[in-house]
Amino acid sequence: KAGVTQTPRYLIKTRGQQVTLSCSPISGHRSVSWYQQTPGQGLQFLFEYFSETQRNKGNFPGRFSGRQFSNSRSEMNVSTLELGDSALYLCASSSDRTWTEAFFGQGTRLTVV
Amino acid sequence: KNEVEQSPQNLTAQEGEFITINCSYSVGISALHWLQQHPGGGIVSLFMLSSGKKKHGRLIATINIQEKHSSLHITASHPRDSAVYICAVDNTDKLIFGTGTRLQVFP
Repeated sequence: KAGVTQTPRYLIKTRGQQVTLSCSPISGHRSVSWYQQTPGQGLQFLFEYFSETQRNKGNFPGRFSGRQFSNSRSEMNVSTLELGDSALYLCASSSDRTWTEAFFGQGTRLTVV
Repeated sequence: KNEVEQSPQNLTAQEGEFITINCSYSVGISALHWLQQHPGGGIVSLFMLSSGKKKHGRLIATINIQEKHSSLHITASHPRDSAVYICAVDNTDKLIFGTGTRLQVFP
């Protein structure tokens, strides 16, 4: 079956702009979570969605938001981009929240200039 | 102090060597994960542990809940094992990640 698909793979944006990233989970998976990976901070949890509801949120400013659609696809949005938002954004899908089968996408590499 | 600490940060080995990567955590967890990240970013989940030991091929993962410590072992290491290995703990609400161990295995 198809894996977790993230689009786009690469993105370059200018400071102050906003960006939307997409994640399509494995078919049948209802949990999608998002992570930011930077060289300085490593991997950090952004938020998790399950059946269209945000269940958990990490310690990120309100500029970072997300949503999940009825088909479990998820989007995350970052508004008013800052240089420090440059990172690899990863999403992972799971059938439930116990992470017994966590599958990660390839990530979207965002560069803010 | 980070809630999840990994050691070493970097590891170099010759093909065939036995590798050990350690992970210590300070929070309550329901499970611990070992992840492998290759250049380019893709992450693969290797193990999920809540107790004891698991083995998959040349990879072995152990966890000691009382000591809040886990180890990932690679037997007969191979250049294709070169990657970043990340420990992550399931803190009920979210995953908390270690900073990763960069492993390079030379032929």
